[in-house]
Amino acid sequence: EDQVTQSPEALRLQEGESSSLNCSYTVSGLRGLFWYRQDPGKGPEFLFTLYSAGEEKEKERLKATLTKKESFLHITAPKPEDSATYLCAVQAAETSGSRLTFGEGTQLTVNP
Amino acid sequence: DAMVIQNPRYQVTQFGKPVTLSCSQTLNHNVMYWYQQKSSQAPKLLFHYYDKDFNNEADTPDNFQSRRPNTSFCFLDIRSPGLGDAAMYLCATSRGFGGAETQYFGPGTRLLVL
Repeated sequence: EDQVTQSPEALRLQEGESSSLNCSYTVSGLRGLFWYRQDPGKGPEFLFTLYSAGEEKEKERLKATLTKKESFLHITAPKPEDSATYLCAVQAAETSGSRLTFGEGTQLTVNP
Repeated sequence: DAMVIQNPRYQVTQFGKPVTLSCSQTLNHNVMYWYQQKSSQAPKLLFHYYDKDFNNEADTPDNFQSRRPNTSFCFLDIRSPGLGDAAMYLCATSRGFGGAETQYFGPGTRLLVL
């Protein structure tokens, strides 16, 4: 069974304090790993797709990396507007179609 | 801008009173999904449509039904809502279903059951 575990569950940072969120996964062949941002009361907003170990993608203060067992979302010099829940999801090669298996998310709070 | 739209954003219904949630998309994507998300939990896939082909997840209760009258619109019908059905309902779309397809989500409909 495909599994995705995100840590920590919650993270509080001061503005400008860089950190990383972790997404560990167990799948029978990875087709893609996805990062989403979700603000309270809203739908998930797509951030990145990673396809293979060693791949990295960046967007503003966010950088996502991928190994064979986990992905990291690095946040450099965060601002209060980066506060949100960050969801990680995987698509497994063995899974029919484009079904996503989500982690429970990391709730990030950035204080000014 | 191309997008996924959900209406209403908030829906209040009574225990046992049927309710319909709406989703539309301007992305011209072939696949539409419905998810249920409860507080502080991961989204849970209920079903998806690939064009007109309906695919139900094995553990989706019979109380939940869906309709897709055309490419742009998809509806979620809850026949007899219970208190446990109070949640955020998310609609998503993807271009296809066979590969590493990115899913794009709408803003969600928050359902409250009284």
